[in-house]
Amino acid sequence: ETGVTQSPTHLIKTRGQQVTLRCSSQSGHNTVSWYQQALGQGPQFIFQYYREEENGRGNFPPRFSGLQFPNYSSELNVNALELDDSALYLCASSSQGGKTEAFFGQGTRLTVV
Amino acid sequence: SQQGEEDPQALSIQEGENATMNCSYKTSINNLQWYRQNSGRGLVHLILIRSNEREKHSGRLRVTLDTSKKSSSLLITASRAADTASYFCATDDNAGNMLTFGGGTRLMVKP
Repeated sequence: ETGVTQSPTHLIKTRGQQVTLRCSSQSGHNTVSWYQQALGQGPQFIFQYYREEENGRGNFPPRFSGLQFPNYSSELNVNALELDDSALYLCASSSQGGKTEAFFGQGTRLTVV
Repeated sequence: SQQGEEDPQALSIQEGENATMNCSYKTSINNLQWYRQNSGRGLVHLILIRSNEREKHSGRLRVTLDTSKKSSSLLITASRAADTASYFCATDDNAGNMLTFGGGTRLMVKP
């Protein structure tokens, strides 16, 4: 049990809709990173938030956006959903802007139909 | 794009045998981490090895790192059916703000 919680666990959305995924970081951690994992592949880095600021971004379009709150929890927002956005979305909690071990939540399984 | 590549992609062994998985990466790193994933669920952190370390142990796990060859290996000794999972290596960039994962090794341990 990592202490990193994600909600919801499963979600089905229609193409074109918007979705918000949530992550509560582990106590004492100030850094949250988001990853997308397509079936059968390794996770791909979306972006990281450190002390409420974006601290790095992967190769994802602007319709993927995020927030980090003063309690270091975070949201991932995806607009204009596409079928290829169907994936497991993973949140990772760490400290020092990501320079320590990263602990992952159980993920949110998003299906876009 | 994936920086790391795990080898083999799939491995099937009998309970009690050792399992060795390899990971290669392309750029310089601060540290390398190994994770386990069961059936498309969250990633479980196994071990972190820093770039100035060559070997690390944790229980039945042994990790080596060769920065000159840009490679790492994960050895699971005396495997159990419960070790059946996908195993991923992940490297950080020098800024430490992203992990780059390989495609994973799918390990099956038969009872």
